[in-house]
Amino acid sequence: EADIYQTPRYLVIGTGKKITLECSQTMGHDKMYWYQQDPGMELHLIHYSYGVNSTEKGDLSSESTVSRIRTEHFPLTLESARPSHTSQYLCASSEIDRNYNSPLHFGNGTRLTVT
Amino acid sequence: KNQVEQSPQSLIILEGKNCTLQCNYTVSPFSNLRWYKQDTGRGPVSLTIMTFSENTKSNGRYTATLDADTKQSSLHITASQLSDSASYICVVSDRGSTLGRLYFGRGTQLTVWP
Repeated sequence: EADIYQTPRYLVIGTGKKITLECSQTMGHDKMYWYQQDPGMELHLIHYSYGVNSTEKGDLSSESTVSRIRTEHFPLTLESARPSHTSQYLCASSEIDRNYNSPLHFGNGTRLTVT
Repeated sequence: KNQVEQSPQSLIILEGKNCTLQCNYTVSPFSNLRWYKQDTGRGPVSLTIMTFSENTKSNGRYTATLDADTKQSSLHITASQLSDSASYICVVSDRGSTLGRLYFGRGTQLTVWP
C-alpha cells in the first residue's frame, strides 16, 4: 500500500502551459526524488532532495524546478510545457542511510501528455 | 561507463512455471543491487536489496542471486502466478558519490499466461 501519493494521475495540457505535479509522502523520509520514465526505457533522475530547503538537479537535463518547503511535500513545476515533456513522472522517497541500502518507495506516477 | 543490462527484454511463461531473469552490470564501485517489480500503470515496488557480501536473498517466491565477481545477478520466480505479470527492474547503486547514485536497467517485461 502506497504511502507516497502523486496527483494528478493523468494530465493532458497544451503547449506553453505552466503545470505543477504534486508528490506527498507520509513516512517522514528525508530523501525525495523525481524520475522520468518512457516506455521500455530506464528511469532517469531529474531532481532530488536531502531534506527541507535542499534541492539538486539530477542527470537528465530538464526545464523543470522543484521545491522542498516541508518534509512531506516535493512538487515539480514545468513553467512552459512542451511536447518533449510528454512522459511518465515518478516521485520516490527513502530514508537517509549512510550505506545507501534503503529502498526507494515510489508513487504511482503522473502520466503527462503535452499537445 | 556505468551500465546495467537486463535480459531477456520480454518473456512469456505459463502459470505455474518457473523463470529466471538476468542482470549484468558494470557499475563501480559497487554498493548494492536491487530488484523492483513494476505493475502496469503503477510505480516500482522493491523486492530485494543485496549488498556486496550477500549472494542470495529471497522474498516469498522471488529469489535473487548476486555474483559480485562476475557482476551478474539473477531473479528467479518460482511457481509463477498471473499477478507476476509485470516489468522487473534491476538497479545498481554505487558508493562513489554522496548520493549513492542509482543505475537503472530497462527492465524485463514478464507475461504469465493461464
